[in-house]
This record gives sequence, C-alpha cells and structure tokens, in this order.
Amino acid sequence: GEDVEQSLFLSVREGDSSVINCTYTDSSSTYLYWYKQEPGAGLQLLTYIFSNMDMKQDQRLTVLLNKKDKHLSLRIADTQTGDSAIYFCAEIYSGGYQKVTFGTGTKLQVIP
Amino acid sequence: NAGVTQTPKFQVLKTGQSMTLQCAQDMNHEYMSWYRQDPGMGLRLIHYSVGAGITDQGEVPNGYNVSRSTTEDFPLRLLSAAPSQTSVYFCASSYSPPIYNEQFFGPGTRLTVL
Repeated sequence: GEDVEQSLFLSVREGDSSVINCTYTDSSSTYLYWYKQEPGAGLQLLTYIFSNMDMKQDQRLTVLLNKKDKHLSLRIADTQTGDSAIYFCAEIYSGGYQKVTFGTGTKLQVIP
Repeated sequence: NAGVTQTPKFQVLKTGQSMTLQCAQDMNHEYMSWYRQDPGMGLRLIHYSVGAGITDQGEVPNGYNVSRSTTEDFPLRLLSAAPSQTSVYFCASSYSPPIYNEQFFGPGTRLTVL
C-alpha cells in the first residue's frame, strides 16, 4: 500500500537553511507536492515536482527528488519566522481520481 | 472570490448525534473532496466528487455520507457521531483532477465528539 513518511518536528534558527525530508513507497507516483499549513488554516500548495525531475528551485525553496531511494526533500533557504508551520509532502499517481496521499507532516519551528 | 468556505469552524457533539459539515466554493471547480486530519496521520480522504451528482468513497468513508446537488456545495454528513470521529475536517476543491490542478483547501472544521 501507499505510505508517505516524514519526521514530526524540526527546529532551526532564523537565517539558517531548513531541510524537511519525506520518503514515499509508491514508485508509480507522478507528482510529488509540498504543502504548508499555518496554525488554524487549511493547506496551501507550496511547490510540486514531476517524478521525472531531480530538482526544482522556486525562490527560497529547493525540492530534491531521489527516485531510486524514493526520497523527497524541501530546502528553505534563509528561514524566517513566518516559515514556522507544518509542512506536508504528498504524492499522487495517475488513474481514476488520482488519489493524493499525504505524509504525516513536519512541524517547523523557527527560533528568532 | 471567497475560495473554499467551511462552516462551522468548531463543533462539539455527543455520541450518537448527527450533523452536517458545510463546504462551498465559488471557483466553479468540478472536483471536491473531504479529508480528515488526525495527529501523526496526515490527511486521509473521506469522500470525493468529480461533479454535481457524482460522488465516491475515499480511504475512510465509514460513518460519513455526502451528496453533490450543485457544483458549489459539498456537505459532509455524520449520521451517528462517535468519539473516533473527533478530528479536523478539511474540504478541498480543484478545477480538474488534482494531478493537473492545485487543490484549494478550506480553513477546516474542528469537531469533538464526547
């Protein structure tokens, strides 16, 4: 079955880089996503990567995909206090409704 | 655009009570979904709809009903609430299948069943 795993918690100092990791099990994943959830709010799509890509950069965000190890990471450069949130990775595979499977979420705490 | 709206924001029920969680979107999205979020478990799909009049079960549908009479609304009904249904519920919508288009999420409904 499908399973997406993340570490539960990460603490970094303001200005440092944050790296949030995710492992997934379904090799037929087509898209992999990173969502951000701020306190009391719904999820917001941050970025995504196609499964045929190795890297995607979007301003302070860098997504790395290692298909061999089924490992996805999100690097946030120059982390700010406004980046404090829960980050979810998610995978989707084609067929039918293209069900999205979410990871357990990583709570990022940025220390001023 | 209001985006995806959910009501109520908070609700406390007693075991056995029924209620409806409301979800509406004003983006003319065909695809709508209900998820529940539990600590340490990520989001799990309860039910989804690919258009008015068409619904299907997700990963954890037991104890919940849905209907989709209009494009805008996708209510989630709890028939007889149980403590195991204590969770945060999110509604989401997208223009076309989530693989092609971003899902937009509502702010969530925090439900406690005593």
